Amino acid sequence: QKEVEQDPGPLSVPEGAIVSLNCTYSNSAFQYFMWYRQYSRKGPELLMYTYSSGNKEDGRFTAQVDKSSKYISLFIRDSQPSDSATYLCAMRVNTGNQFYFGTGTSLTVIP
Amino acid sequence: ETGVTQTPRHLVMGMTNKKSLKCEQHLGHNAMYWYKQSAKKPLELMFVYSLEERVENNSVPSRFSPECPNSSHLFLHLHTLQPEDSALYLCASSQEGGLSSYEQYFGPGTRLTVT
Repeated sequence: QKEVEQDPGPLSVPEGAIVSLNCTYSNSAFQYFMWYRQYSRKGPELLMYTYSSGNKEDGRFTAQVDKSSKYISLFIRDSQPSDSATYLCAMRVNTGNQFYFGTGTSLTVIP
Repeated sequence: ETGVTQTPRHLVMGMTNKKSLKCEQHLGHNAMYWYKQSAKKPLELMFVYSLEERVENNSVPSRFSPECPNSSHLFLHLHTLQPEDSALYLCASSQEGGLSSYEQYFGPGTRLTVT
């Protein structure tokens, strides 16, 4: 079983739609949960992070963590064509250097 | 820009060549990483240098050899690669031991093609 599972998509939505991206994981020791955005021909950039459970909102983006279900989500409201990218989830335990990534979900927002 | 630079951005090499990838971070971080990114696969951690110690993924073949001369520079030396090594190689840095240790900053990557 993979540490982190993420549907690779591709996902295509019309502009203005609400997008839901999800990851599941198997290691209950994960404490940090991150979402990265990766544009074509660029490296991933950190979009949001959450420590332990709960929700976090930043503008049009909301990250949710449900540790009881080992499930994390990223919601994008009022999606824009500039949101078209690959979104990677990542997580790690409290100590150590190892980050565990999902495969990434490719998102296209159609004008 | 993220403060992490990588050169070259693209590299085509034959299986008998020797080449090196370079990474430099301008963020004052104390940990640097090499990742391999292949299509439809999760980022694969290859090597970590943190506080001058090296941690490596045991599944990485010996034809990849890292070097970290100081906390700002990281190299990946390549020799006798195979076609399946073609991928995007990403460098990242972070500040370990601090409140923001979850934050990794990535460079733009080197697109490697092995012919």
